[in-house]
Order: sequence, then C-alpha cells, then structure tokens
Amino acid sequence: DIQLTQSPSFLSASVGDRVTITCRASEGISSYLVWYQQKPGKAPKYLIYAASTLQSGVPSRFSGSGSGTEFTLTISSLQPEDFATYYCQHLNSLFGPGTKVDIK
Amino acid sequence: EVQLVESGGGLVQPGGSLRLSCAASGFTFSSNWMSWVRQAPGKGLEWVANIKEDGSAKYYVDSVKGRFTISRDNAKNSLYLQMNSLRAEDTAVYYCARGVDWGQGTVVTVSS
Repeated sequence: DIQLTQSPSFLSASVGDRVTITCRASEGISSYLVWYQQKPGKAPKYLIYAASTLQSGVPSRFSGSGSGTEFTLTISSLQPEDFATYYCQHLNSLFGPGTKVDIK
Repeated sequence: EVQLVESGGGLVQPGGSLRLSCAASGFTFSSNWMSWVRQAPGKGLEWVANIKEDGSAKYYVDSVKGRFTISRDNAKNSLYLQMNSLRAEDTAVYYCARGVDWGQGTVVTVSS
C-alpha cells in the first residue's frame, strides 16, 4: 500500500517568511496529489490539485510542485491567515499526517 | 452554491450502529466520486471510504472494511455511510467530501 509522509510535522515561522512543506509517497504516484489547508474547527480547504495547479480563488503565494514520489507546497510570503495545518492527499483517498504551521 | 450537509451523527455505544447521510446540492452529484473522511479529536484527516459516480466501485480504509458501507442515491443527491460494530476508535468528526467541496461534518462519539 502507498504511504504518504510529510515533513516537517511542525514548523514555526514569522509573517513574511517563505515556507516549504514536503510530501513524500512510498511509490510513484505521478501527479495525483492534492494539498489542503485546515484551520481549527473548520473543514479542509482545497488549495492545489494535480500537484501544481492552483485552485481558483487561492492566493498566488501558494504554489505546488513535484511528481512521482516527492512533492512540495510553498508559501512565498506567509500571511497571518496562513497559520494552519496542511495536508497532502493522493487520489481522493490516503492523506499525509499533516504539517502544522505556527507563529514564531 | 455547492452545499454538502451531513447528518446522522451522535452518541452510540460500542458495538452499535449509525447511518450517516450527506445531502448534496449545487453541482451534478451523479458525475462525481464522493468520499467520507473522518478526523478524530486532535488528530489528522483520515480517508474512510469513497464511491464511484454510479456506485459501481467502492473503496475503504482497512480499519473499517467489513464494518462500514458507503452508498449513494443519485436520484436523491445523497451519500450515505452505514457504520456497524462501532468502536471507540471510530469517534471522530465525519465529513462528506468531493475533493474541492466539503460539508461541515457530523460528530460521531462511540462510548459507553
């Protein structure tokens, strides 16, 4: 079975920082990867699909890249509203364990 | 406007059953794979099950196989999750989702 890992599991950053989160698959999954943002008590928000395509309405400071087994989510300049937990997901099924982005 | 509205959650004893429902509107329900995703208190997201557009294919996470059944009624724009033999570890918020859209979740608590 495919496994997804994320690193780091937690990161502390400041407003304006560039942040990169990595998602690794245990075997190649082409570009079948989605990124979500979740804030406490809320449903996840769909950010990026097909590894690198920004969902409509999502700020351009978010970007995704990668294919095969290694993927990254980058926030170019962290904003106050970006402090949240980020999850990768493969093919409407398996999720990564999440990366919590907290305020330094 | 897309809406996914879950219902049917509640408190149930270990070994009991619940049926969750999800009412969909604002998109062509019959053209979309649908999923149930859960989140235990303080934990990450866990995919539970998904179902093909016409219901002909269904997939489950190993921990619920044989206990949970996903189904859909395209005429009613509704998704269901029948949960049997519930365990304490099934306690979670259960979300109905189609990827880009999610419901608000319904809380399932398994406890004596």
